[in-house]
Amino acid sequence: QVQLQESGPGLVQPSGTLSLICTVFGGSITKSNWWSWVRQPPGKGLEWIGKIHHTGSTMYNSSLKSRVTISVDKSKNQFSLKLTSVTAADTAVYYCARVSGDYGWFDPWGQGTLVTVSS
Amino acid sequence: SYELTQPPSVSVSPGQTVSITCSGDKLGDKYAYWYEQKPDQSPVLVIYEDNKRPSGIPERFSGSNSGNTATLTISGTQPMDEADYYCQAWDSSTAVFGGGTKLSVL
Repeated sequence: QVQLQESGPGLVQPSGTLSLICTVFGGSITKSNWWSWVRQPPGKGLEWIGKIHHTGSTMYNSSLKSRVTISVDKSKNQFSLKLTSVTAADTAVYYCARVSGDYGWFDPWGQGTLVTVSS
Repeated sequence: SYELTQPPSVSVSPGQTVSITCSGDKLGDKYAYWYEQKPDQSPVLVIYEDNKRPSGIPERFSGSNSGNTATLTISGTQPMDEADYYCQAWDSSTAVFGGGTKLSVL
């Protein structure tokens, strides 16, 4: 079955850019419609960041839209997240997940990766 | 922006039935989804499209959604069900999560 795995730096400098990659295993990224990023600050709830279609179409959370870019690399079966001008408030576990349909459920999820914003 | 409201915590005795609510404006007109998250683990889908159980999710998990409230019910609660539970819905092309409910099985 499909599995997802996040990768990227665990520490980012304030005002820098957070960059993460999600690799899809066990299936083609073009077989499912949308792929998404969700984050969870330590001890807090889940926040949706955005999603990307395998054709490259994107939708973002309006609260983050000015700082977020999600892209897809079909040749590597990966999609990625870039978040600019980060602050300590962006410290969180970042998850990637598959979206069922256009507006469906998130399943499966990656194992998550903690990104800390600190100097 | 759209908001989903959950009680911060709920407790239940083993073997009993517990319900966790999720409130949002006209939530019944949308699909509600529920996720279970145990400490240091990723969320796991337990209910989709209001009341459907994914393969592998025990029958003791059920869901409903009407009016402004979606409800996750766990019947015959087991100690292993102790976790955080999050509801989720889509509004204006945005995925919205509830704040989460910590379920304690005492």
